[in-house]
Amino acid sequence: SQELEQSPQSLIVQEGKNLTINCTSSKTLYGLYWYKQKYGEGLIFLMMLQKGGEEKSHEKITAKLDEKKQQSSLHITASQPSHAGIYLCGADIGGSGNTGKLIFGQGTTLQVKP
Amino acid sequence: KAGVTQTPRYLIKTRGQQVTLSCSPISGHRSVSWYQQTPGQGLQFLFEYFSETQRNKGNFPGRFSGRQFSNSRSEMNVSTLELGDSALYLCASSRLSRDTQYFGPGTRLTVL
Repeated sequence: SQELEQSPQSLIVQEGKNLTINCTSSKTLYGLYWYKQKYGEGLIFLMMLQKGGEEKSHEKITAKLDEKKQQSSLHITASQPSHAGIYLCGADIGGSGNTGKLIFGQGTTLQVKP
Repeated sequence: KAGVTQTPRYLIKTRGQQVTLSCSPISGHRSVSWYQQTPGQGLQFLFEYFSETQRNKGNFPGRFSGRQFSNSRSEMNVSTLELGDSALYLCASSRLSRDTQYFGPGTRLTVL
């Protein structure tokens, strides 16, 4: 099973609607990263969360990390076609042997209908 | 600042051949990590280099290897290519090992 579970796997929303993507782990997350990817291209860094209860926003995107640091959500307000793409959560699950290693969820494919 | 660059962007090889991919990190970044992305397995960690030393390695066979040069540029090599090696190979750089990783555009490898 995946160390990081993302849900939903895919999402189709009407432009202007709000949406939420979740990322869950059974382990404590020492750093949680959200990236966006256009199909077949590199990952674009969105936000990083480290502290339990932390919340960050950039433009219309808000990410939160729960108090236990095992679940994160990414919320998009008033979605636009430019928000379409694949959203990936990546995490540092800690341990001295995990230097520089991020574990990724399977991704959430978002389509925004004009 | 220029972003992470990867060359080549696309590559077609046949089974049994070997391939070398290159990654130039963001200026000042000393850590380079490599990932393999496939539709079936998703994004998987290959290895990380910091100051020319491999710090961490994922669960890939020994056919996958890498190195880092004194200017932090990194290369990864895959020998005796198999069909299953077809994937998007991404490298990411960070200032230090546990800092935010910034990804390059990837190299799309197709093995025929």
